[in-house]
Amino acid sequence: SHVLTQPPSVSVAPGQTATITCGEDNIGSRSVNWYQQKAGQAPVVAVDEDDDRPSGIFERFSGSKSGNTATLTIRRVEAGDEADYYCQVWDSRTDHVVFGGGTKLTVL
Amino acid sequence: QVDLQESGPGLVKPSETLTLICTVSGVSIGSYYWAWIRQPPGKGLEWIGVIYLDGSTNYNPSLKSRAAISVDTSKSQLSLRLNSVTPAETAVYYCARWLPNRFDSWGQGTLVSVSS
Repeated sequence: SHVLTQPPSVSVAPGQTATITCGEDNIGSRSVNWYQQKAGQAPVVAVDEDDDRPSGIFERFSGSKSGNTATLTIRRVEAGDEADYYCQVWDSRTDHVVFGGGTKLTVL
Repeated sequence: QVDLQESGPGLVKPSETLTLICTVSGVSIGSYYWAWIRQPPGKGLEWIGVIYLDGSTNYNPSLKSRAAISVDTSKSQLSLRLNSVTPAETAVYYCARWLPNRFDSWGQGTLVSVSS
C-alpha cells in the first residue's frame, strides 16, 4: 500500500517561495495532484498531474517530481495562500486513491 | 458547472449504519465517476471509495467491506452506507467527482458525529 509522507507544517514569509514535499517510493513515476484546503472549506485542486492549474488563482503554484519526492512550489507567497495542502496519487493497478497526511502552510 | 450537496443525519450511534446522500446538479450523474472522502476533525483526508459508470465500485481496503456506494440516476443522487460505525469515524464526509485520476469538484461536506 502507499504511504505519502508530507511535513506537518511549513512556514514562509510573504513574497518568498514555499516548497511542500510529498514522499513515496518511486513517486516520480506516478501521477500526483495537489489540493489546497482553507479552513472550513472543501479541498480544491491547486495543481494537477500535468502541472496544470485549473484556476487562475493558482498561477504562482507549480508541481514537480523526481525520484521518491513530489514537490509543490508556491512563488511570491501571499497571506491568502495560508491553508492545508494535500498530495494525492492514484494506483492504476488497484484503482485505489491515497492522500498524503497534509501540510499546514503558515505565512509569517 | 457541477454542484454537489451532501445531506444526512448529523448524529449516528456506535455500531449503527451511517447513510449519506449527495445530490448532483449541473451535469448528468450517469456520465461521470463519483466518490466519497472523509476528514476527521483536525486530521487529513481519507478516500472511502468510488463508483464507476457501470455501477461497479472500489473501496478503501481499510474499511473492511463495511462501505457501499450507489447511484440513483433518476434522482441524480449518490449515496454512501457505512455500517458498524465507531466514534473514530466522526468526520466531515465529502462527495466528489472523480476524473481519473483526481477529484475535480467537491461538495461542501457534512459533519457526522458517531456518539451514543
